[in-house]
Amino acid sequence: DGGITQSPKYLFRKEGQNVTLSCEQNLNHDAMYWYRQDPGQGLRLIYYSQIVNDFQKGDIAEGYSVSREKKESFPLTVTSAQKNPTAFYLCASTLGGTGNQPQHFGDGTRLSIL
Amino acid sequence: GQSLEQPSEVTAVEGAIVQINCTYQTSGFYGLSWYQQHDGGAPTFLSYNGLDGLEETGRFSSFLSRSDSYGYLLLQELQMKDSASYFCAVKAAGNKLTFGGGTRVLVKP
Repeated sequence: DGGITQSPKYLFRKEGQNVTLSCEQNLNHDAMYWYRQDPGQGLRLIYYSQIVNDFQKGDIAEGYSVSREKKESFPLTVTSAQKNPTAFYLCASTLGGTGNQPQHFGDGTRLSIL
Repeated sequence: GQSLEQPSEVTAVEGAIVQINCTYQTSGFYGLSWYQQHDGGAPTFLSYNGLDGLEETGRFSSFLSRSDSYGYLLLQELQMKDSASYFCAVKAAGNKLTFGGGTRVLVKP
């Protein structure tokens, strides 16, 4: 079955450490997204990519970095510059274009500080 | 920028009808989507309104008025499994979605 796979499910970060969250999709979707969700809050866009080798900052990109070297992969690095990284991170993808193209989400990664 | 407002919480009993309102301010608008998220889970797509009017999908319906920058999600014949958070999201250029803060729906027996 096609879908989005995020790993790991849980991740712990030490002070001053960079960590990378994996997101892989086999839906042949063009666009991919990373969101951050804090407890009881909505989703906030970190970065998004509409095509391979191209990505744009979202609303809260500071302290994060991404790459899009392959269509199916969109890893997110949480750098040491992100001082409050504890959150639920969700990756999504969509076919792209206008009209009704719903975003499909992975099961998320919960990141905590040690 | 974009901003969306929706109620934080709604409580209702099984079999009841719940309406979740969403008002938005946006620069550039393609449509309004609704997503459901159970505790600890991933959001799942419920409905999309690109044009004014009502869209019906089973027990759930969604409405949009572009002139009023307003939409709502209607949940009918509530079931216990409908207890979840519901998010409205504005679709802008680049297929970007801006999400509201979510409405937690609690269904009681």
